[in-house]
Amino acid sequence: DADVTQTPRNRITKTGKRIMLECSQTKGHDRMYWYRQDPGLGLQLIYYSFDVKDINKGEISDGYSVSRQAQAKFSLSLESAIPNQTALYFCATSDLPGTGGSTGELFFGEGSRLTVL
Amino acid sequence: SQQGEEDPQALSIQEGENATMNCSYKTSINNLQWYRQNSGRGLVHLILIRSNEREKHSGRLRVTLDTSKKSSSLLITASRAADTASYFCATDWETSGSRLTFGEGTQLTVNP
Repeated sequence: DADVTQTPRNRITKTGKRIMLECSQTKGHDRMYWYRQDPGLGLQLIYYSFDVKDINKGEISDGYSVSRQAQAKFSLSLESAIPNQTALYFCATSDLPGTGGSTGELFFGEGSRLTVL
Repeated sequence: SQQGEEDPQALSIQEGENATMNCSYKTSINNLQWYRQNSGRGLVHLILIRSNEREKHSGRLRVTLDTSKKSSSLLITASRAADTASYFCATDWETSGSRLTFGEGTQLTVNP
């Protein structure tokens, strides 16, 4: 089984609908992230969480919200989806740099492809 | 933006040749990381170089870092068709609280 699991892997929805993307991890990491990737572009950080009680906005948080339900679970919501939120969404985790030899590298899920019509 | 910029955007080479990708960034960093992404898949960490290091090797990968020029390069030696992927640099910059900022990537195609 994958260490970082995202559901759903693919979703097509309509403008104005509420969408939730879920992420769960078995790596035991405290830090979790949501990134967005548009075609041919790099990743942009939407939200990140360094522990269950710590939620922070990233570069492009407008139109998105998150919930950290447990150390292992971090979900991303689009309250009212719009077409320019069509993208590939990635969840990632990391350990605190220096913890058990960790360098703080990110471990990614396989992505959730969202299309908003 | 603190985002790194990568050069070239696309690179096509023959198997056995070396591939060099470059990354420039704007502010001081704690470390710089390189990731690989196969088409539409999740990114995979390749190598990390700290701000006080100048060169690092891992198998066929060689990374250099020039903090005075705010640039890094990734060299893949003796490339294989399986190296075909997008390669991204990501910077952990000092005031970000250990969040990574990604460049736009280099699409590498290795022809058999």
